[in-house]
Amino acid sequence: DAGVIQSPRHEVTEMGQEVTLRCKPISGHNSLFWYRQTMMRGLELLIYFNNNVPIDDSGMPEDRFSAKMPNASFSTLKIQPSEPRDSAVYFCASSLTPGRQYFGPGTRLTVT
Amino acid sequence: GIQVEQSPPDLILQEGANSTLRCNFSDSVNNLQWFHQNPWGQLINLFYIPSGTKQNGRLSATTVATERYSLLYISSSQTTDSGVYFCAVLVTGNQFYFGTGTSLTVIP
Repeated sequence: DAGVIQSPRHEVTEMGQEVTLRCKPISGHNSLFWYRQTMMRGLELLIYFNNNVPIDDSGMPEDRFSAKMPNASFSTLKIQPSEPRDSAVYFCASSLTPGRQYFGPGTRLTVT
Repeated sequence: GIQVEQSPPDLILQEGANSTLRCNFSDSVNNLQWFHQNPWGQLINLFYIPSGTKQNGRLSATTVATERYSLLYISSSQTTDSGVYFCAVLVTGNQFYFGTGTSLTVIP
């Protein structure tokens, strides 16, 4: 079975550019999560969706970040405009059972 | 919010040694997961263990929810066990709170 799929795996961009990260959850899972991992702050939840509806976006750093889930099999996390402090590894995870999440391989974002 | 503390923060083991990692949490939780983040950054599920004891090969975990802690045991450690071990707790809804991790290095 395919796990959570994320693309791209690596992204290098210049400050001010728009960045779009993509995620395909495990088929049949009804919850999807976006996390950010940095050395300074560890793993932080940015936003999560339940049945394609955003439930909690309190972790989204600021208005430059937005996330969408147009259907059960696809989600995007967009940063516009990007800044060097956005450099991090961004993980997507999905779950069917609350408290049992499966993580994708992550996207390593570098903003220069 | 809930505090999730892991200890020790760093651990170096000789291959073949056993170890115990601890996760303390400051409030009642509905669920708890242990993850292993390997040196390539992949987060791998180890255990889904809101309470009780589970075993999977050389790894086992015990959660005592009433006392607000969980333990991860690694026996006969191997170099492939190296990485960072996280516990994550679910308080309400579907939001996890992650601990700061235990960084494990197993040397041959």
